[in-house]
Amino acid sequence: QKEVEQNSGPLSVPEGAIASLNCTYSDRVSQSFFWYRQYSGKSPELIMSIYSNGDKEDGRFTAQLNKASQYVSLLIRDSQPSDSATYLCAVKENNDMRFGAGTRLTVKP
Amino acid sequence: GAVVSQHPSRVICKSGTSVKIECRSLDFQATTMFWYRQFPKKSLMLMATSNEGSKATYEQGVEKDKFLINHASLTLSTLTVTSAHPEDSSFYICSAQAAGASYNEQFFGPGTRLTVL
Repeated sequence: QKEVEQNSGPLSVPEGAIASLNCTYSDRVSQSFFWYRQYSGKSPELIMSIYSNGDKEDGRFTAQLNKASQYVSLLIRDSQPSDSATYLCAVKENNDMRFGAGTRLTVKP
Repeated sequence: GAVVSQHPSRVICKSGTSVKIECRSLDFQATTMFWYRQFPKKSLMLMATSNEGSKATYEQGVEKDKFLINHASLTLSTLTVTSAHPEDSSFYICSAQAAGASYNEQFFGPGTRLTVL
């Protein structure tokens, strides 16, 4: 059984702080890694994709991948109340994409 | 780019009727589309993977005769919930993956909220 684990939260951070979201996965042959943001009642929206070890930055978002530790994280700098949502980690091998249960983030003004 | 639409966005039906949900990739060709369902405060559950021109691959526990999937073109997949029951009430979301091995991302439609009375 391929597992993708996330801390369900809720994670609460003050506005302007760094939010750190973590994800571990069990399948060593996973090839691609994604972070999606999902607002309540809406469908997931792709934020970041990362395929190789290291950091990938896009605006206020940084994804970090460590395949040896089977760990992928998402950092959100200068968190805003509009970042409050559930963040889904997804791990993909070929056409098989598995989602974590999601971490609920609340950014307090 | 990479826009996926779903129709309808919301549907209410009586128990025993069938409901068809359409998923379209608007600005790219999708060789593969995926159908998910999501219950409140739960994560996405993959129901089936749909490849253009071939039969869908269903996840374990998903009844293929109840959830009919057709992927007739590179831009359209449909999910038909047959003989719907109240326990089928859920948020159904499709996603599409663009053609080409190097393009690995899945883009989600806005979802369809189904309520079966």
